[in-house]
Amino acid sequence: QKEVEQNSGPLSVPEGAIASLNCTYSDRGSQSFFWYRQYSGKSPELIMSIYSNGDKEDGRFTAQLNKASQYVSLLIRDSQPSDSATYLCAVNMRYGGSQGNLIFGKGTKLSVKP
Amino acid sequence: KAGVTQTPRYLIKTRGQQVTLSCSPISGHRSVSWYQQTPGQGLQFLFEYFSETQRNKGNFPGRFSGRQFSNSRSEMNVSTLELGDSALYLCASSLDRAEGNTEAFFGQGTRLTVV
Repeated sequence: QKEVEQNSGPLSVPEGAIASLNCTYSDRGSQSFFWYRQYSGKSPELIMSIYSNGDKEDGRFTAQLNKASQYVSLLIRDSQPSDSATYLCAVNMRYGGSQGNLIFGKGTKLSVKP
Repeated sequence: KAGVTQTPRYLIKTRGQQVTLSCSPISGHRSVSWYQQTPGQGLQFLFEYFSETQRNKGNFPGRFSGRQFSNSRSEMNVSTLELGDSALYLCASSLDRAEGNTEAFFGQGTRLTVV
C-alpha cells in the first residue's frame, strides 16, 4: 500500500515564527514531491515542488527532501495569519511498468496566531 | 493563461441518480486526473486520463467512470449515487503525469451533495 503520512495537527504558531510541516512516504522509488496549500472551501494550490535531495527555497517557503529517510518537509519563515490553511504533501509514486499517480497525505492544518 | 475549469461548481442530486462532471484542463496539458475529497478520507485518486486513454485507476467501484476527449477535456460520471458519494470532486491537469517532474494544477472543484 503506497502511503503518504502527515501529522494532521492543528499546528499553531505565532505570527513571525517558523512553521515546520513534515511528511513521510512509503515508496522508496518516488522521484517527485509537491506541497499544496488549501484554504477552507477552496481547491489545493501548488506552492512548492522538489525533485532532488536537499533544500529548495522560494520566498518564505523552503522545501527539504531526504530520499534516504523518505522524508519531505516544508518550512514557512515569518509566518503570517494568511498562511493559515491546510498543507498537503503529495508524492508521485511509480509502480511496475505503469505511470505514476499523485498520492496525497491527509494534510496538516496550520494556524498562525496574530 | 486560463486555469483548470470545472463545471458545475455545485450539484445536488438524489440517491440513485447519476451525475456527470466536466473538466477543461490548462491549454496544452494532456493529462487529467480526478480526485474525491472528503473530510474523513482526504484526497483520494479516482483515475487519470492521457490522450483519451485511462492510464491509472484508483480503488473506487465501477459506478465511477470517466473519459477524455480529443481536446483533452474530461468528464467523470457517477451512476446510482449513494449518500457517501457526497464530496468535493477535483480535477487536476498536467503536461504529462507520467513524467514525474511535472506539476499538477487543480480546478475549483465540483461540490456534489447527494440527498
